[in-house]
Amino acid sequence: DGGITQSPKYLFRKEGQNVTLSCEQNLNHDAMYWYRQDPGQGLRLIYYSQIVNDFQKGDIAEGYSVSREKKESFPLTVTSAQKNPTAFYLCASSIAYWRLMNTEAFFGQGTRLTVV
Amino acid sequence: QKEVEQNSGPLSVPEGAIASLNCTYSDRGSQSFFWYRQYSGKSPELIMFIYSNGDKEDGRFTAQLNKASQYVSLLIRDSQPSDSATYLCAVSNTGKLIFGQGTTLQVKP
Repeated sequence: DGGITQSPKYLFRKEGQNVTLSCEQNLNHDAMYWYRQDPGQGLRLIYYSQIVNDFQKGDIAEGYSVSREKKESFPLTVTSAQKNPTAFYLCASSIAYWRLMNTEAFFGQGTRLTVV
Repeated sequence: QKEVEQNSGPLSVPEGAIASLNCTYSDRGSQSFFWYRQYSGKSPELIMFIYSNGDKEDGRFTAQLNKASQYVSLLIRDSQPSDSATYLCAVSNTGKLIFGQGTTLQVKP
């Protein structure tokens, strides 16, 4: 089955610790995205990548870091510099806009991070 | 000014009525426009996309785009209780996909 896998589904961490969220896709998509969703809010873009070894900051990149060493993988690290890390994190992938402009993004099931 | 704006609602409509959801965007270079539906605690799923001015229909759903007014809307005909969810408008420009805050729709039986 093709899809996007985020793991773990729930994650608990102590304040001050870095934590890495996993996102893997087998859809052969070039583009991948990370979003953060707070209760009652929409999705806010953290980072996005249109091709391997390249990524861009979104609107709320401070306190986060990513890497894109493989096409299938786009891990997100929530660092201790992120002041309010508790949130629902969603990873998505799509065909890159430079291949097909009007392409939908497919989402993983999300990781709910709680920092205590 | 937010890049993509939606009225957070809730928008309440009776079963069988037409629900109208609206979205405005600030980037005139935006190329593609999407409507996603998100049930509580779940991931968003695509309802439809539109990229040309005018209307696009898919079953009970119609998306409308007016690039001059920087406005995109979604009409849901014959609304059902199962349509109760949050509807997210998303706008794409050269691969940067930005979402609005979503509109909560409640369809009352």
